[in-house]
Amino acid sequence: DVKVTQSSRYLVKRTGEKVFLECVQDMDHENMFWYRQDPGLGLRLIYFSYDVKMKEKGDIPEGYSVSREKKERFSLILESASTNQTSMYLCASSLLGGVYEQYFGPGTRLTVT
Amino acid sequence: QQPVQSPQAVILREGEDAVINCSSSKALYSVHWYRQKHGEAPVFLMILLKGGEQKGHEKISASFNEKKQQSSLYLTASQLSYSGTYFCGTEIDNNNDMRFGAGTRLTVKP
Repeated sequence: DVKVTQSSRYLVKRTGEKVFLECVQDMDHENMFWYRQDPGLGLRLIYFSYDVKMKEKGDIPEGYSVSREKKERFSLILESASTNQTSMYLCASSLLGGVYEQYFGPGTRLTVT
Repeated sequence: QQPVQSPQAVILREGEDAVINCSSSKALYSVHWYRQKHGEAPVFLMILLKGGEQKGHEKISASFNEKKQQSSLYLTASQLSYSGTYFCGTEIDNNNDMRFGAGTRLTVKP
């Protein structure tokens, strides 16, 4: 079974803190993705990566950065958390190419106070 | 670049049929469909590719109209287990850059 794990299910941080969300997949997938899910807005792509040290911006990269130092791990970084970044964050992975399904992690519910 | 899904929500009785639509303003390479149950991660249902190839679910079917840049998901003889939010994801090129729609919430009642 493909497994995508995320470091925390729930996280509460204060405004201005630096926040790290970690995602690990165990299926040797080239692609990894970070999405943000908000009611009525669906899944919005923040960043994706198709290889180690490679990254591409999605629709809403402002206020976020990413790091992919190893193939299996993709980190999302909130440099200075703000209340409007309170959301559900979903990580996903897939094989390279558009014909492959994405496997999602369980999500991290981040609250910034 | 997000595709547009319709309807936003639908309520069915068990055994009824439903159609969920997904449309794009740009020509598409592929359309993906996922279902997310409350409190769970989205799960893959189906991929439709430019040229007509399909890969996916046994009991759920879909179509992909390349000219109209849209896809439809057909849920026939719905079961309680079909309840959830359905998302379509679209790619313009075969470049892993996928965008998801806002979702369609489907509720199946006994």
